[in-house]
Amino acid sequence: SQQGEEDPQALSIQEGENATMNCSYKTSINNLQWYRQNSGRGLVHLILIRSNEREKHSGRLRVTLDTSKKSSSLLITASRAADTASYFCATDVYAGGTSYGKLTFGQGTILTVHP
Amino acid sequence: DAGITQSPRHKVTETGTPVTLRCHQTENHRYMYWYRQDPGHGLRLIHYSYGVKDTDKGEVSDGYSVSRSKTEDFLLTLESATSSQTSVYFCAISVGGIRETQYFGPGTRLLVL
Repeated sequence: SQQGEEDPQALSIQEGENATMNCSYKTSINNLQWYRQNSGRGLVHLILIRSNEREKHSGRLRVTLDTSKKSSSLLITASRAADTASYFCATDVYAGGTSYGKLTFGQGTILTVHP
Repeated sequence: DAGITQSPRHKVTETGTPVTLRCHQTENHRYMYWYRQDPGHGLRLIHYSYGVKDTDKGEVSDGYSVSRSKTEDFLLTLESATSSQTSVYFCAISVGGIRETQYFGPGTRLLVL
């Protein structure tokens, strides 16, 4: 079963609207990272949030982390057509010792922003 | 792109042939990773390296081997390619140590006929 699962699987909005994607995970983590992937391209790193952090911002992006609920959310404000992409969360699972930074990915949320 | 290149970028091969994919980094980072991406599965870790000659298995390592004889290169080998290994392969590096941001290479599209 997936450590990280994104919700919704697909999201369609109009330009200017906000987009919220959620990620749930099952076990304790060291950190959680969000990535964007445009169709047929590589992964672009968006934000890393550590287990002792609750919120981080980067430009129009806001990420929250609730370790008690084992969940994270990515908010994109004032979305643009260029934000159309797949968004993935990835967790660095806490294994009691050295995890070597191995990431476990969810299946992603496909975001479509209509002009 | 954190100085990561992958080669080849595209490859078509036949079942049963060996295939080696190369990941090259220019910034001397210690930790490197190979993932594969398939529809419905997201990205899954194949192997990783925590130093020269130090490697270990990930979630989906069967049918794959890796080598790291120098810091900048991490090679992924499919000993005898199968159609189930048709995938997009991504290399990643952890910048600044473990538990830090991982940056990904551009990917290699592999088709096994």
